[in-house]
Amino acid sequence: NAGVMQNPRHLVRRRGQEARLRCSPMKGHSHVYWYRQLPEEGLKFMVYLQKENIIDESGMPKERFSAEFPKEGPSILRIQQVVRGDSAAYFCASSGDTDQPQHFGDGTRLSIL
Amino acid sequence: GENVEQHPSTLSVQEGDSAVIKCTYSDSASNYFPWYKQELGKRPQLIIDIRSNVGEKKDQRIAVTLNKTAKHFSLHITETQPEDSAVYFCAATAYGQNFVFGPGTRLSVLP
Repeated sequence: NAGVMQNPRHLVRRRGQEARLRCSPMKGHSHVYWYRQLPEEGLKFMVYLQKENIIDESGMPKERFSAEFPKEGPSILRIQQVVRGDSAAYFCASSGDTDQPQHFGDGTRLSIL
Repeated sequence: GENVEQHPSTLSVQEGDSAVIKCTYSDSASNYFPWYKQELGKRPQLIIDIRSNVGEKKDQRIAVTLNKTAKHFSLHITETQPEDSAVYFCAATAYGQNFVFGPGTRLSVLP
């Protein structure tokens, strides 16, 4: 039973480019969460999605950031016109329901040159 | 909304000693409390969890206790080993809500 799959593991972008981070949840999970983590810091909630719906995006910046979880395919976190401050590890987690354990992927390390 | 505090932020113990990390939460509706361990450069991994209808849960050297009245829950690690060194995060949630994570505790087990 495959776990949460994130790709790419590492992504390098130049300022102004777009970054697309992908997350395939565990089999049977329909709840997906995205978190951002800076070195030596905690997990900052960004967005919570269920299939085709954004449930809570209160932690995601209004500009340049968007997320989707289509009926078919992985969830995607998209960052447009990246800036140096976007450099971080982005973790995706999935669960079977909101009060069930969240299982994390290995993360995408985004570096902005 | 829910607010989770976690103490201490750093903890150093001698190998073989016990370690205790405490979290407090604010929302009395919260009913699920997981603990995650994150080693350097790796993903957070669930190590133990507890629901509000239970006061204590144990899994080998790890235990979690919950005091609903005082709204706090604690992680206990006995007979610590160097491989227990990591950052530990607690979280609290209620059905229909997001997890709210604590800021983390960096545990160092000294040989």
